[in-house]
Amino acid sequence: IAGITQAPTSQILAAGRRMTLRCTQDMRHNAMYWYRQDLGLGLRLIHYSNTAGTTGKGEVPDGYSVSRANTDDFPLTLASAVPSQTSVYFCASSELDNNEQFFGPGTRLTVL
Amino acid sequence: AQSVTQLDSQVPVFEEAPVELRCNYSSSVSVYLFWYVQYPNQGLQLLLKYLSGSTLVESINGFEAEFNKSQTSFHLRKPSVHISDTAEYFCAAPLGNTGRRALTFGSGTRLQVQP
Repeated sequence: IAGITQAPTSQILAAGRRMTLRCTQDMRHNAMYWYRQDLGLGLRLIHYSNTAGTTGKGEVPDGYSVSRANTDDFPLTLASAVPSQTSVYFCASSELDNNEQFFGPGTRLTVL
Repeated sequence: AQSVTQLDSQVPVFEEAPVELRCNYSSSVSVYLFWYVQYPNQGLQLLLKYLSGSTLVESINGFEAEFNKSQTSFHLRKPSVHISDTAEYFCAAPLGNTGRRALTFGSGTRLQVQP
């Protein structure tokens, strides 16, 4: 693994279903983030984690949850998907006290 | 908390012409600013950043941006663009109450370089 990986690459999901987007980094970065990208809105922060064992809410956290059991993994869960959660989701990471973020390739999620 | 505004959603330009992508920020605290580039169907990559020091920062592929405190701007420029510069460009700044690590992004500017 080199950098950040995300899985799946894309997914079509029925409304009401539960879904977990996976994110793994091998750079030993302390901080990790989840963003969603929507046309005309740029990227918006969903949740973040400054270090393993801690998480925080971003700009648009409703309907999403995260966990950070270890340094490398930061899964994002949609407990009951809704069509407004159709988006491209990006995971990112950064070193402590360094704002330069490294992004994964993204997951394209469609909720029908 | 900081916020950023990108004034142009699309910028069409001919190859070898100069280009400027505009970004304005609002902040009452120390400023850190970034430009990211997203090529089609890819994630974002850091293009350049301003943390402190010289107000003019450059990237390895010919882009530059100037931090202008009086105009609260961080415009991205390139004197001569190539077809390969076609991408979406995002200006970003620290979000504020997240330990100054998470970023807030502008809405993006799609640069379309035409032959």
